[in-house]
Amino acid sequence: QLQLQESGPGLVKPSETLSLTCSVSGGSISSSGYFWIWVRQPPGKGLEWIASISYYGITYYSASLESRVTISVDTSTNEFSLKVRSVTAADTAVYYCARLRETLGNYMDYWGQGTLVTVSS
Amino acid sequence: IQLTQSPSSLSASVGDRVTITCRASQGISSYLAWYQQKPGKAPKLLMFAASTLQSGVPSRFSGSGSGTEFTLSISSLQPEDFATYYCQHLGYFGQGTKVEIK
Repeated sequence: QLQLQESGPGLVKPSETLSLTCSVSGGSISSSGYFWIWVRQPPGKGLEWIASISYYGITYYSASLESRVTISVDTSTNEFSLKVRSVTAADTAVYYCARLRETLGNYMDYWGQGTLVTVSS
Repeated sequence: IQLTQSPSSLSASVGDRVTITCRASQGISSYLAWYQQKPGKAPKLLMFAASTLQSGVPSRFSGSGSGTEFTLSISSLQPEDFATYYCQHLGYFGQGTKVEIK
């Protein structure tokens, strides 16, 4: 059974960089036909896709966040990561990592439990 | 692409039939997925390709539609179905529909 687990600091100061890692277990991040993605959810609000990456490094970013975000993958550790630069209170959210199946319109079949990141001084 | 769900919330009783609609701003063939999210939990995939039930999801859930209009139906609402439901296409999500107990 595939499992994803987010890790990273729960509190980040404004203007600093938010860094999160998603550890994948029970399967290989190098499997074909999948992308690995980050989605966030501000408190009480809906879901927002942030970025996607394939195991061979193809990336896609949300247009609204592209200038501040970097997604990367490490196949040797079966992990992928997210960095959000110059954070503000608007970046406060639960951040989820997930696996996206690259077929039939792309859908997320496995999710991490989510990690709350608060931006505050 | 914009995905617009309706209603934004609804109240229903156990045993009711519930239908949620997701409208796309342009045609997306049948490439739509539905998720269920309970408070404090990650979203759970219910349906993909508009009408294909994800493994393990109860058969009271069904999906239909293609092009720009899609529906998610729950034939007989159960207590564990009270949650928020989202539609998704590529990197776009609907705003969510909260199903509450009447």
